[in-house]
Amino acid sequence: DAGVTQSPTHLIKTRGQQVTLRCSPKSGHDTVSWYQQALGQGPQFIFQYYEEEERQRGNFPDRFSGHQFPNYSSELNVNALLLGDSALYLCASSAGLESYEQYFGPGTRLTVT
Amino acid sequence: QKEVEQNSGPLSVPEGAIASLNCTYSDRGSQSFFWYRQYSGKSPELIMSIYSNGDKEDGRFTAQLNKASQYVSLLIRDSQPSDSATYLCAVSSDFGNEKLTFGTGTRLTIIP
Repeated sequence: DAGVTQSPTHLIKTRGQQVTLRCSPKSGHDTVSWYQQALGQGPQFIFQYYEEEERQRGNFPDRFSGHQFPNYSSELNVNALLLGDSALYLCASSAGLESYEQYFGPGTRLTVT
Repeated sequence: QKEVEQNSGPLSVPEGAIASLNCTYSDRGSQSFFWYRQYSGKSPELIMSIYSNGDKEDGRFTAQLNKASQYVSLLIRDSQPSDSATYLCAVSSDFGNEKLTFGTGTRLTIIP
């Protein structure tokens, strides 16, 4: 049973560039949530996708956008990168609106220079 | 006031002893509570979930919830060196698939 997968593992970008991160949910899951974890902090909720629509959004600027595909996989896009966007980006999947538990992928470590 | 508060530690516990991790939350309407374990450089791993007042046991782990006091805790019995990690408390405002609000985590070190 494949767990949540994310790509790439690591990424180095320059300020002002754009980045796309990808996530495939655990088998049987249809909801994907994205979190940002800065060093020494807990994960911060970015947004959640269900049925290809953004269902909830945290306190992140519009530079952060996402998409969910018919196969439930998801992308996180960040435009006009800032140094402060350097963090571990985590994708979590869950089984629909009646499931309480979210399972995380291995994460993508983004470094902005 | 932070929404979810944890003592950042580090908390040092001798091998074989009981480790006690605590978490308080500010949203009285919170319904779902989770403990995640995160090893250095890795992603969070779900180890316990609890939804109603009282205790929930799973192996060496026991989660305790007191909604009146807005308090949730995690006990680890017979602590092992492999339990050394950061433990994250997460809270959701609904029974549905809502966003998780995390504390900053407690770093636990088990001393052999």
